[in-house]
Amino acid sequence: DGGITQSPKYLFRKEGQNVTLSCEQNLNHDAMYWYRQDPGQGLRLIYYSQIVNDFQKGDIAEGYSVSREKKESFPLTVTSAQKNPTAFYLCASEGGDTQYFGPGTRLTVL
Amino acid sequence: AQSVTQLDSQVPVFEEAPVELRCNYSSSVSVYLFWYVQYPNQGLQLLLKYLSGSTLVKGINGFEAEFNKSQTSFHLRKPSVHISDTAEYFCAVRGAGGYNKLIFGAGTRLAVHP
Repeated sequence: DGGITQSPKYLFRKEGQNVTLSCEQNLNHDAMYWYRQDPGQGLRLIYYSQIVNDFQKGDIAEGYSVSREKKESFPLTVTSAQKNPTAFYLCASEGGDTQYFGPGTRLTVL
Repeated sequence: AQSVTQLDSQVPVFEEAPVELRCNYSSSVSVYLFWYVQYPNQGLQLLLKYLSGSTLVKGINGFEAEFNKSQTSFHLRKPSVHISDTAEYFCAVRGAGGYNKLIFGAGTRLAVHP
């Protein structure tokens, strides 16, 4: 069953902690993306990777970090430097000029 | 660079009525256009896309959209909506060819009432 999985679905973090969101795809896509979604807004690009071992900052990369050691995996770390991390995070991969999305992770900072 | 505007933040409609969700874009180059649907607490699902060819694009769940280059629009339509169509709909645009960012509109909340 091909697709994109994200885990966990819900995540709670205390202020000052780093947390890592998982994104895995078995679609054999080269490019992967991380977006942030806030209520009533569209999606904003955090980081993207067009190929293994390479990634670039998006529009709102401050306070986030990523790695791309395997084609299937593109984890996102939300660091303590991110001032307002409570949001819905969406991962996507791209094939045929089209992006396909995972189910999302809702992060809440307590 | 590209930009996209969804002209309505909310669209209320009665069940079995037709609906149109409006999307306008701006770009100095050729574009690819997309409509995605998002149900509460879920990811985005691709409804339909225009990459090239016929300007009338048919998608899943009975939706269709028409690419109008002269009016720089890509409005989404459905002739008869169901309660289950209640969701957030996002229009997105990217420049054609090579790597270009996917730019999203702010979304339109479609509320279907019985």
